[in-house]
Amino acid sequence: LAKTTQPISMDSYEGQEVNITCSHNNIATNDYITWYQQFPSQGPRFIIQGYKTKVTNEVASLFIPADRKSSTLSLPRVSLSDTAVYYCLVAGNDYKLSFGAGTTVTVRA
Amino acid sequence: ETGVTQSPTHLIKTRGQQVTLRCSSQSGHNTVSWYQQALGQGPQFIFQYYREEENGRGNFPPRFSGLQFPNYSSELNVNALELDDSALYLCASSVLTGVQETQYFGPGTRLLVL
Repeated sequence: LAKTTQPISMDSYEGQEVNITCSHNNIATNDYITWYQQFPSQGPRFIIQGYKTKVTNEVASLFIPADRKSSTLSLPRVSLSDTAVYYCLVAGNDYKLSFGAGTTVTVRA
Repeated sequence: ETGVTQSPTHLIKTRGQQVTLRCSSQSGHNTVSWYQQALGQGPQFIFQYYREEENGRGNFPPRFSGLQFPNYSSELNVNALELDDSALYLCASSVLTGVQETQYFGPGTRLLVL
């Protein structure tokens, strides 16, 4: 399983855009990049997934450069309810996910 | 809501005891994975079941075992509990089709071992 590296924490204010970059230098050809969000005492919640280039859904965008050795999760116009831990994962289609420590995002008023 | 439920929500056991945690997956999901999440850490993969057979295991001892049933429910059993087993236990269900798809996590069971 590819190892990922992401910042331990990030602070932001309501209405700002938050960008979290994840490094995954050893990503394999069949690995996808997936981001999860987790609130305290809850299970992780799927945010977005991609293989290359850019993916956008109703809550976030995921930017993946051509070499796929990193990815950036972009959360537009965050609110206080976006305060959570965000995990970057890379995995093939076997779902045996390897979570790192994640990035704790704190949104302030 | 992910459609994945777990029971109980909280549990207190003493060292040496045995525990069974339960998970009910989304209908049609043929794969269930179990994770252990210690306080302040990310979830760690315990094992995965696909069509009622173990389909991979993480770095956990044999006293962690599981079962998956045809009705999309599953169990995690832990024998000879140790203090370090105190954690949030998460199950996640998905459909293993050979194409990357999303895992859906349940809310977890908080286990405290005294």
